Amino acid sequence: DQQVKQNSPSLSVQEGRISILNCDYTNSMFDYFLWYKKYPAEGPTFLISISSIKDKNEDGRFTVFLNKSAKHLSLHIVPSQPGDSAVYFCAARGIQGAQKLVFGQGTRLTINP
Amino acid sequence: NAGVTQTPKFQVLKTGQSMTLQCAQDMNHNSMYWYRQDPGMGLRLIYYSASEGTTDKGEVPNGYNVSRLNKREFSLRLESAAPSQTSVYFCATRTGTSPQHFGDGTRLSIL
Repeated sequence: DQQVKQNSPSLSVQEGRISILNCDYTNSMFDYFLWYKKYPAEGPTFLISISSIKDKNEDGRFTVFLNKSAKHLSLHIVPSQPGDSAVYFCAARGIQGAQKLVFGQGTRLTINP
Repeated sequence: NAGVTQTPKFQVLKTGQSMTLQCAQDMNHNSMYWYRQDPGMGLRLIYYSASEGTTDKGEVPNGYNVSRLNKREFSLRLESAAPSQTSVYFCATRTGTSPQHFGDGTRLSIL
């Protein structure tokens, strides 16, 4: 069973517009969520995170929103830039399994000029 | 440069062969992890080591063994490689409550 799901394998957005990447989870014990960005032939790099006690966290062009009742989080990128083209993974961590991250399948974001 | 170094970057094996994937970090992080990434599956945890001298199973440990040689090094061994183990393998490290920091991966093909 997939505890963290990214239902959109790919997303295409025009440069300068907003990119919205979505992630759903099923385990109510998850209390910390992260987004990673991955370029081809490189490892994932940490982008932004949010604790379950918050509903929003912002870092420059990147904002993550958390809706605990819906078990849903989203990553907003505004404005989108060509360098944002990458695969984005959401990941979740629970208190009891704090060492373990559970990843979604990833969404490939393409920013078109 | 500080970071996580994985060797080799690429490897092709025949079914039944054995090999060890190496991971070394110079970030002085306590915890180290091995993941595999397969198309449409995201990253799945194979084994992790919360601290030097300890190792624990992750989500998909079957067919693998690990060794935390010292604080810097965490190796992943395939004793008898199978085609189902064709994947990209990532090593990661973490300390305290920091996010995990990943190496650039080892691309492994098993024929």
